Amino acid sequence: DGGITQSPKYLFRKEGQNVTLSCEQNLNHDAMYWYRQDPGQGLRLIYYSQIVNDFQKGDIAEGYSVSREKKESFPLTVTSAQKNPTAFYLCASSRLAGGRYNEQFFGPGTRLTVL
Amino acid sequence: GESVGLHLPTLSVQEGDNSIINCAYSNSASDYFIWYKQESGKGPQFIIDIRSNMDKRQGQRVTVLLNKTVKHLSLQIAATQPGDSAVYFCADLRKNSGGYQKVTFGTGTKLQVIP
Repeated sequence: DGGITQSPKYLFRKEGQNVTLSCEQNLNHDAMYWYRQDPGQGLRLIYYSQIVNDFQKGDIAEGYSVSREKKESFPLTVTSAQKNPTAFYLCASSRLAGGRYNEQFFGPGTRLTVL
Repeated sequence: GESVGLHLPTLSVQEGDNSIINCAYSNSASDYFIWYKQESGKGPQFIIDIRSNMDKRQGQRVTVLLNKTVKHLSLQIAATQPGDSAVYFCADLRKNSGGYQKVTFGTGTKLQVIP
């Protein structure tokens, strides 16, 4: 089956600890994205990557870091500098280029709770 | 500022009736408008999109209407079913010169289908 996987589904961490969220896709998509979703709100873009070894900050990148060493993988690290890390984190991927909207396919999400 | 938002946070509809979910946007430069469906605890799923030079697009049981004069977007679901219960997000898309898709999500409307 083609798709996007995120692990783990639920994650608990103590305040002050860094934590890395996994995102893998086998859709052969060039672009990958990380979003954060807070209760009752829409998605906000954290980071995105259009190509291996390159990534760009989104709207709320402070306190987060990413890497894109492989096309299939785009892990997100939530650092201790993120002031309010408890949230639902969603990873997505899409094709690039073309004249139309390239649908973003979302993973199932990781719910991070910082205690 | 630029925003994509929804008029109503919750919509209750009797099973079999038609549902209409509304969305207002502020940025006239959007290339596409997209509707996503998000079930509880899951990532969003693409429903339908509409290019900014269109005013109507139909899918299976869904129709999206775009009124650029009043910057209003709506999603119509025909013969609403219990499986349609979810949060629905409208989003708009703008592409930058590098081909990156900047998608901005609204806050969502929760659709509750009453059996």
